Order: sequence, then C-alpha cells, then structure tokens
Amino acid sequence: AQTVTQSQPEMSVQEAETVTLSCTYDTSESDYYLFWYKQPPSRQMILVIRQEAYKQQNATENRFSVNFQKAAKSFSLKISDSQLGDAAMYFCAYRSFNSGNTPLVFGKGTRLSVIA
Amino acid sequence: GAVVSQHPSRVICKSGTSVKIECRSLDFQATTMFWYRQFPKKSLMLMATSNEGSKATYEQGVEKDKFLINHASLTLSTLTVTSAHPEDSSFYICSARDVAGGAVDTQYFGPGTRLTVL
Repeated sequence: AQTVTQSQPEMSVQEAETVTLSCTYDTSESDYYLFWYKQPPSRQMILVIRQEAYKQQNATENRFSVNFQKAAKSFSLKISDSQLGDAAMYFCAYRSFNSGNTPLVFGKGTRLSVIA
Repeated sequence: GAVVSQHPSRVICKSGTSVKIECRSLDFQATTMFWYRQFPKKSLMLMATSNEGSKATYEQGVEKDKFLINHASLTLSTLTVTSAHPEDSSFYICSARDVAGGAVDTQYFGPGTRLTVL
C-alpha cells in the first residue's frame, strides 16, 4: 500500500518570504498523481497543485511550485511571496494512475502560519 | 472549478438517533464519490468509496451497518449515521471525482458537515 509522509507538523513563514513544505511517499507503481491540498480554517479542501508522475517538468501555479524528485519519491511544495491568506493546513496526497475508483492517500498535514 | 455541496453543514442530534448527510456534485457528474472523516487537527481518514448504482466499498474498521452510504444518482450520495453515539461526533467530508472531459484525476471536496452527538 502507498504511504505519504509529511515530516513537518508545523511551519511558519514571514509574509512575502518563501517557504518549502516537505512530502515523501512510498509506492511500487510507476504511474501516479501527486497533489497538494490546502485546508484553511473554513475546512474547505482546496486543490493547490497537481503533478503527473510521468511528467518530468515540475508543476507551477502562480506562487506555488513543486520540486518533484521521482527517484527519491519526494514532492515538496514551495510557496513564494507568502501571503496571510496562505495560512492553512497543507496536505500532500497520492493517487494511483489507474481507475477512477482509486482514493487519494493523504499525509498527516503541515500547519503553515504566516507572520505579518 | 467544479462545486460539491454538502447538507447540512452542522447537525446536533441526540444519542441513538440517525442523521443523514447529503453530498451533491452541482455542475458535473460523479460516478465515484468518497466519504472521509476528520478529527480535530488530524488528516482525512477515508471511510468508504461510493459508486453510482452499486454498493459502497468500506475501509477496514468502518462499520457498514452504522455508516450507510447510498449513491443513487450521478450527482447525489448520502451518508447516514445510524444510532449515533457521542464517539461518532466528527467532521465528515465528501468528495467527488469529475470524470468528464478527460479530468479523471480531478477530485473536488464538499465543505464538510460537523456532527455533534449529545
């Protein structure tokens, strides 16, 4: 079974600075998807960014980018120019490539605080 | 992006009663929906996978007779907590996968339902 590990329970960053959240995963599959979800205090899960494992290029979405290292099974999230609204729980997630029935496997999350 | 709604957002009930939570995909069809439970400051725990027109697949340790899931249409799945007890108090989140237009890997989440059992 696949597992996702987020080794940083809490992180903090100064407003306008850059922060990197770590995520590693374990799988024997070669094709899969990786995600970062954000859960603000409202508890609504929001998709931040997605990476297909077969793509070598790292995904980017505005201020959010990932460092995907397939051999190392690492998938870190970099948030640039941090804003107060970025404060939230961030969950790294894995999904097998095959079948729409396959659920997401979540890490335990990292709570990010943004300091004004 | 696609929208998933949940109703109710909050519910308080007495021990021993049953509570139904609805999950709807508002602007897309979802052949598969997922139900999660989340404890305070914890990650999401998958309870079951719900497929339209068939029985749900429950995760190990989740009582299927207690957490009844029905996925009667491509836009609606329901979770019924039967004979609720205080230990069932939690935050329940549904999620639906949009399989149209090639977006087979796009999963959207509802806003969650906070259940409190007295």
